Amino acid sequence: AQTVTQSQPEMSVQEAETVTLSCTYDTSESDYYLFWYKQPPSRQMILVIRQEAYKQQNATENRFSVNFQKAAKSFSLKISDSQLGDAAMYFCAYRKYNTNAGKSTFGDGTTLTVKP
Amino acid sequence: GAGVSQSPSNKVTEKGKDVELRCDPISGHTALYWYRQSLGQGLEFLIYFQGNSAPDKSGLPSDRFSAERTGGSVSTLTIQRTQQEDSAVYLCASSLDPGRNEKLFFGSGTQLSVL
Repeated sequence: AQTVTQSQPEMSVQEAETVTLSCTYDTSESDYYLFWYKQPPSRQMILVIRQEAYKQQNATENRFSVNFQKAAKSFSLKISDSQLGDAAMYFCAYRKYNTNAGKSTFGDGTTLTVKP
Repeated sequence: GAGVSQSPSNKVTEKGKDVELRCDPISGHTALYWYRQSLGQGLEFLIYFQGNSAPDKSGLPSDRFSAERTGGSVSTLTIQRTQQEDSAVYLCASSLDPGRNEKLFFGSGTQLSVL
């Protein structure tokens, strides 16, 4: 079975600084998707960024970028120019390639605090 | 509607009581998913609906849990004879279809507390 591990239960960053959240996963599949979701105090999960395993280029969405190391099964999220609104719980998730859109495996999350 | 709506936002119940949690997906979304999020943990898949049918119920933890969807829209998750370990946030998500490239839209969940 696939597992997703987020080794940092809590992280903090100073406003305007950069922070990196770690994620490792275990799979025997070669084709899959990886995701980072943000869950603010409102509890509504929001997709931050998505990476297809077959793509070597790291995904980027504005201030959010990933460092995808397929051989190492590592998928870290970098948040640049951190803003107060970035404070939330962040979840890393994995999904096999030919799997229903809702059948992802989630890590246990990292709580990010942004200090003004 | 504009987004996925869940009700109630919070529910406190006594052990042994039945509860119903409601999810109203985005209009036109055929796929609907229920998840459970225990304290300090990620999402645990419970059940998936395509239209009114549930082709994947593999995540339902016991026969005390059931769900239905009517009119291809609103879904209800029912937990019978609630136990303290059922306490969690129950999240619902919908997508336009279940295809692997589809983006999920989440509701704000129902926080269930079983005393």
